[in-house]
Amino acid sequence: GDSVTQMEGPVTLSEEAFLTINCTYTATGYPSLFWYVQYPGEGLQLLLKATKADDKGSNKGFEATYRKETTSFHLEKGSVQVSDSAVYFCALLSGGYQKVTFGIGTKLQVIP
Amino acid sequence: DAGVIQSPRHEVTEMGQEVTLRCKPISGHDYLFWYRQTMMRGLELLIYFNNNVPIDDSGMPEDRFSAKMPNASFSTLKIQPSEPRDSAVYFCASKPGQGTVTRGYTFGSGTRLTVV
Repeated sequence: GDSVTQMEGPVTLSEEAFLTINCTYTATGYPSLFWYVQYPGEGLQLLLKATKADDKGSNKGFEATYRKETTSFHLEKGSVQVSDSAVYFCALLSGGYQKVTFGIGTKLQVIP
Repeated sequence: DAGVIQSPRHEVTEMGQEVTLRCKPISGHDYLFWYRQTMMRGLELLIYFNNNVPIDDSGMPEDRFSAKMPNASFSTLKIQPSEPRDSAVYFCASKPGQGTVTRGYTFGSGTRLTVV
C-alpha cells in the first residue's frame, strides 16, 4: 500500500538557517504530493503541492520538487524564521483514490 | 467561507461516558474525513464519507466508535463508552469531489479529547 516516510524530528535551527526536511514515498501509479503544516493548537494547512514528476510546489518561501526517479519530495527553505516553528507533514494522494496518506510529521523549532 | 468547523474544541470526560464530536464541512465539498492524532501513532484515518455515504471505515479502532453523516453539512463521531486510551486530538477534514483529485484537504481546528 501507499506510504510516506519522513525524517523524525525535532529539528532545531537558528533563525535564517537553511531548512531541509526529507520525504520519500511508496505508491502505485503517479500520486499527487503535498506538504502540510500544523501550527500549535491548530489543524493542518496545505502548504504546497505537486501533481506530476518534476513539478515544483512553492509557497511562503518553501519549495519541494517532485522527484519520480528517487520517489522523493523534500521540503526546503532558504532562510527560516521563528514563525516557521510548526510540525510539517509530507503526504500523498494516489490517483483514483481520495484518501491522503500522511507521514509521521517533523517538528521544526526555530530559535532566535 | 468559514472553513471546516468542529465542536467542541476541548472535551474532558470520565471513562465510560459517551462522547460526541461534531463537524460541519465546507459547503459543496463531497468528501468528509475523520482523523485521530496522537503522539505515538501520528495521524490515523478513522473513516471517510463521500456524498454522506461511508466509504471506508477500516480505520475505526473498535465497535465503541461510530460515525454518521445524516446530511451534507453535518457529521458526528461518537465514542461509547469512552476509555482513557481514546484521549487524542480528533480532526475533521473535507475535500471537493472526484474531479478535483489533486486538491488537498481542508482541516478543522480539531477537538482535543481527554478521557480521565
